[in-house]
Amino acid sequence: AQSVAQPEDQVNVAEGNPLTVKCTYSVSGNPYLFWYVQYPNRGLQFLLKYITGDNLVKGSYGFEAEFNKSQTSFHLKKPSALVSDSALYFCAVRDYGRDDKIIFGKGTRLHILP
Amino acid sequence: SQTIHQWPATLVQPVGSPLSLECTVEGTSNPNLYWYRQAAGRGLQLLFYSVGIGQISSEVPQNLSASRPQDRQFILSSKKLLLSDSGFYLCAWETTSGRNEQFFGPGTRLTVL
Repeated sequence: AQSVAQPEDQVNVAEGNPLTVKCTYSVSGNPYLFWYVQYPNRGLQFLLKYITGDNLVKGSYGFEAEFNKSQTSFHLKKPSALVSDSALYFCAVRDYGRDDKIIFGKGTRLHILP
Repeated sequence: SQTIHQWPATLVQPVGSPLSLECTVEGTSNPNLYWYRQAAGRGLQLLFYSVGIGQISSEVPQNLSASRPQDRQFILSSKKLLLSDSGFYLCAWETTSGRNEQFFGPGTRLTVL
């Protein structure tokens, strides 16, 4: 069965520093991978996705993510964090060719310190 | 462009009262529709999904039910609310080709007292 793990409940980063939010996944087929962001009392907003092709995917608000098949990871990154990036981030996976349901991680709360 | 609406935005209901939350999508046809519940600002629990009018799949047996009376309308209901039904309810849609991203509504904050 497919699964996705976000090993960190919370990540603290100083403003201007690079940030990484970790995600690992498990699927039996080929993965479709997604990152979403959620601000307080709002719905989830789509940031980026990996379907196929380039392992480095660029998305909204300067975020990018790197698909690493050997490590089954899809970490979210940004070169220089902003205070406004503080939010809850969700990684999600779909197993292409299998059960099409999308599975979400438990979320990582990102705090950017001014 | 496509938009998704949910109402009400917030709701406070007594235990044992009924519930009806509505979700509508504009700008697309025949979407797949989803209801999720999020507790305490953390992970999402998939409650129901629908691939067409009148077609509902339940992921978790519980006190809730869902209906899809029209192509772009998805309703979450309960006959008698429990304290444990409190949470943030999110509706989402995706294209029927699937395997792509879902788009979420603004959510409904339900408090059961």
